[in-house]
Order: sequence, then C-alpha cells, then structure tokens
Amino acid sequence: KQEVTQIPAALSVPEGENLVLNCSFTDSAIYNLQWFRQDPGKGLTSLLLIQSSQREQTSGRLNASLDKSSGRSTLYIAASQPGDSATYLCAVERSQGAQKLVFGQGTRLTINP
Amino acid sequence: GEEVAQTPKHLVRGEGQKAKLYCAPIKGHSYVFWYQQVLKNEFKFLISFQNENVFDETGMPKERFSAKCLPNSPCSLEIQATKLEDSAVYFCASSLSREKLFFGSGTQLSVL
Repeated sequence: KQEVTQIPAALSVPEGENLVLNCSFTDSAIYNLQWFRQDPGKGLTSLLLIQSSQREQTSGRLNASLDKSSGRSTLYIAASQPGDSATYLCAVERSQGAQKLVFGQGTRLTINP
Repeated sequence: GEEVAQTPKHLVRGEGQKAKLYCAPIKGHSYVFWYQQVLKNEFKFLISFQNENVFDETGMPKERFSAKCLPNSPCSLEIQATKLEDSAVYFCASSLSREKLFFGSGTQLSVL
C-alpha cells in the first residue's frame, strides 16, 4: 500500500528566504507525482507535475525534483513571499489504474513579512 | 467553463438524511474524480469517471454512496442515510487525460 509522508508538518520562515519542502513515498512504482497548493477554504491548485521518467520540473520560483528510486521529492521555493503562505501537498499516482492520487498530509507554510 | 464548479458550497444534513452534491467539470475534460477530505489534509479517493463511465470506484463505500456522470448534466455524488463520519469536504476534480488535475472549491458536508 502506497504511503506518502511530508515533512515538516508546518514551517514558518521570514520573507525572502529560500525553502525546501519534502515528500517521501513508500512504493517507487509511480506514474507521476504532483505538488498542490491549498489555501484555507479553497480547493487544490496544481503547481507542478513530474512524470516518473523526469527528474525535475520548474515553474517560476518553484522547482520540484523527483528521485523515484529513493522514493523522494522536494519542492523548492525561491525568494519566498507572504502570498506563498498556504498548505502544500504532494500526491503520487500509481503506475497502473486510473488517475487515483495518494496524498501526503501536507506542509502548512507561513511566510512572515 | 474554465473551472470546476461545485454546488452547493455548504450542506447540512441530519443523520440518516440524504445528501446530493454536484460537480460541473471543465468543458472538454474526459476524467472526473471525487475526493473526500476528512480532518485537515487527509484526502481519500472515492471514484473516477471517464466520460460517463465509472473508471475506478475502489474508494466508494458502496452501501450508501453512489455517483453518476451523465451526458449534458453535472456529475453527482449522493449519500443515502448520512452518518456523522460522512462530515467532510468533498472535492471534485477533472482532467483532460492523465495530466494535471483541476479541483473545484469543494462542498462542506456537515452531518448533525
């Protein structure tokens, strides 16, 4: 059974800092991994999707890496801003079957002005 | 539309009553998914559709939950005889293929 763990559960940093969020998964047989952002009372916004054959994806100040063999992914946020404050979730899709995501518990990020 | 629309935003039911939630996926998206978020950040997959066909329903408590995606109608998730533990936020998502998922803003179901 696939299990996804995110560390830390919560993180608070000053504005402008670079930071890394971690995600680990137990079964390396994945189809892809997605990072999402959830704002309070809102749905999820997909930030980055990494296919199992890829090592990383970048979008603006965000960079996500994937090491399938070790079961790890990181989300790097450069030059953090207060607007980055949200809960970040990673989710993996198993290699077979429908697009059925297994989510981590999330990291609640607070950027202090 | 360009966003996944879920209605209602909030739904309150007494234990044992029926609850019905609706989702309009993004136009042109073939796949629709329902997820349940119980307590903070615990997402549970319920069911997925490819067009109007059930694709994967392994997460559905079948004795009380049912879902449909019919042509030219919003998709629906229905809970017969709700229980206290059904209280959660129910998210619908859609995708074009096995690509990025686009989530709606959810329906908060409170069972009293």
